[in-house]
Amino acid sequence: DAKTTQPPSMDCAEGRAANLPCNHSTISGNEYVYWYRQIHSQGPQYIIHGLKNNETNEMASLIITEDRKSSTLILPHATLRDTAVYYCIVRGAGSARQLTFGSGTQLTVLP
Amino acid sequence: EAGVTQFPSHSVIEKGQTVTLRCDPISGHDNLYWYRRVMGKEIKFLLHFVKESKQDESGMPNNRFLAERTGGTYSTLKVQPAELEDSGVYFCASSQRGMNTEAFFGQGTRLTVV
Repeated sequence: DAKTTQPPSMDCAEGRAANLPCNHSTISGNEYVYWYRQIHSQGPQYIIHGLKNNETNEMASLIITEDRKSSTLILPHATLRDTAVYYCIVRGAGSARQLTFGSGTQLTVLP
Repeated sequence: EAGVTQFPSHSVIEKGQTVTLRCDPISGHDNLYWYRRVMGKEIKFLLHFVKESKQDESGMPNNRFLAERTGGTYSTLKVQPAELEDSGVYFCASSQRGMNTEAFFGQGTRLTVV
């Protein structure tokens, strides 16, 4: 699975959009981009995933660049409860293979 | 619907003792995974079951770790004998059969070996 690069930390004001970037320049054509988060010491929580089209669900939006070498997770209206470590993970398609976690981005939502 | 359940939530044992962690996946999920995070490190994959079969155990650190999944339902992870470096949080996750399905994680078991 391709390696990902994320900034170690980011701050966001409560109520504002949080935009978390991820670089995955070596991604191959059949690899998906997944986002998970870990709030404090809880288990990781699935957020969203996509292949090449932008995706949106009740939690977030995922914007993948046309060349697929980078993506951005958008939390449209961040709340204090969104403070967590966010992981961008590239995973091979058509498989139930394991997730490879990096160090992620610590997002702190400020009041 | 119940999520992934792990037991116990915390365990403190002495070096050399044996500990067994249990994971109950979401009902109907064929895939079950074990991960762990040791202090200051990233979350690392340990192994993957498809039903009762071990699909991938490449992340198991050594032969002191033994995982089973009886009848393709719950799973246990036994550490025997435990060493200090085994301390950390052990997570279990499960997912449905099929492609690109999301994995649901339990709350983890915090293991402390003293």
